[in-house]
Amino acid sequence: ETGVTQTPRHLVMGMTNKKSLKCEQHLGHNAMYWYKQSAKKPLELMFVYSLEERVENNSVPSRFSPECPNSSHLFLHLHTLQPEDSALYLCASSQDNRGSTDTQYFGPGTRLTVL
Amino acid sequence: DQQVKQNSPSLSVQEGRISILNCDYTNSMFDYFLWYKKYPAEGPTFLISISSIKDKNEDGRFTVFLNKSAKHLSLHIVPSQPGDSAVYFCAASGSNAGNMLTFGGGTRLMVKP
Repeated sequence: ETGVTQTPRHLVMGMTNKKSLKCEQHLGHNAMYWYKQSAKKPLELMFVYSLEERVENNSVPSRFSPECPNSSHLFLHLHTLQPEDSALYLCASSQDNRGSTDTQYFGPGTRLTVL
Repeated sequence: DQQVKQNSPSLSVQEGRISILNCDYTNSMFDYFLWYKKYPAEGPTFLISISSIKDKNEDGRFTVFLNKSAKHLSLHIVPSQPGDSAVYFCAASGSNAGNMLTFGGGTRLMVKP
C-alpha cells in the first residue's frame, strides 16, 4: 500500500460510545496531522505530531484524544461525542513540520456521524 | 475570523476555456501557499504551490499567481477539462508557525463538456 490510509471510511456512533479512528502513512514521513472538516467550513487543524510528539493542539475538546505510537501510525480516540462533532476527519502526513514548505499528503478521510 | 478566504463557493466553466480560482488572505506572516484538489469520497491531493519570493509558478496546465501587496492568489487552469471538476482548496502557512496549514473554504469547479 502507498500513501496515507484511514480506517474506517465511515463510522456511525452514539453519544455514549467509544471508538477510534486509525491513520497509517507509508511515505516515511515524520509528521502527522488530524484535521476536521465540518459542513460548509474550512478544514480545521486539530492535532500535529512530529516524531511522535504532540506539537500542536488547537484547543480541541478533551473528548478527542490523539495517540501516535510511532511515526507511521496515528489514532484519534473518540468518547462521549456530540452530534455537532459529525464531520469528515482527515489525516495527513509530511516529511516534518518544522519547515513551512513541506507538502502535506492526505488520507481519504473518515466520515463520522454522531447520533 | 477566517485568515484564508475563497469567496466563490462554485464556478462553472466550459471545457477548453480557462478556469480562474481566487483566494485572499489576511495574515502577512504567510509565506507559502498551496492549492489542493478534492474529489468526492477522497482526501485533498496536492496540486501546486508557491513561495512568497515568487509571483508565479507554472506546472503544465496549472499556474498559480501571487500578489503579495493585495494578499491575493489565484489558480489558472488552461485548458479546463471535465476531469478537473472537483473542489479546490487554497491553503497557506508561515515559517514562524512550522507547517501548520490554514485552509480556505473551497471552490467547487464544474467543467462542462
